[in-house]
Amino acid sequence: EAGVTQFPSHSVIEKGQTVTLRCDPISGHDNLYWYRRVMGKEIKFLLHFVKESKQDESGMPNNRFLAERTGGTYSTLKVQPAELEDSGVYFCASSQVDYRIPDTQYFGPGTRLTVL
Amino acid sequence: GDSVTQMEGPVTLSEEAFLTINCTYTATGYPSLFWYVQYPGEGLQLLLKATKADDKGSNKGFEATYRKETTSFHLEKGSVQVSDSAVYFCALSVFYSSASKIIFGSGTRLSIRP
Repeated sequence: EAGVTQFPSHSVIEKGQTVTLRCDPISGHDNLYWYRRVMGKEIKFLLHFVKESKQDESGMPNNRFLAERTGGTYSTLKVQPAELEDSGVYFCASSQVDYRIPDTQYFGPGTRLTVL
Repeated sequence: GDSVTQMEGPVTLSEEAFLTINCTYTATGYPSLFWYVQYPGEGLQLLLKATKADDKGSNKGFEATYRKETTSFHLEKGSVQVSDSAVYFCALSVFYSSASKIIFGSGTRLSIRP
């Protein structure tokens, strides 16, 4: 079974440009999450999709970030315009729905974003 | 709010040494606890987990016991190897609504000398 995949693995852009990150979850996983780790700090939650709906977007830093999950399959995270402080590693994770216990999330390899 | 505090790094040990990485948590409700590991150049991997008090998670020689009385989930390994060099993240997940969110500690970088 394929794991969570993310594209690209690395992206280097200039301040003010736009970047779109993509995440393909494990097939059949309704839950999709975005996290990021900035400057060696803790990994922080950004948002959570259940199928195509945003369940929780409380971690999105500002309106320069836009996440979509059309059709409830893959997701994109767009940063427009990018700022220096957006540099970091963006992780995507997915999980099955399990109403009994907090579900295990499976993470992708991450996209390392560098804004110059 | 919910949070995780783990031992500051970096931690450097010699091969075959005993490893402990401390982790404590604050949570409302009944969290599941996790250790994730990120090897150089790779993504986050689930190392082990425990879903209720007194459960012991184990994998690849690593162990951690869910201690509700001390709100801790310390990671231990009896004899580390060079291949264990990585960044280790303690994390918790609390069930809410129809799914859960993971809250991570800041990560501990572990380096093992041959």
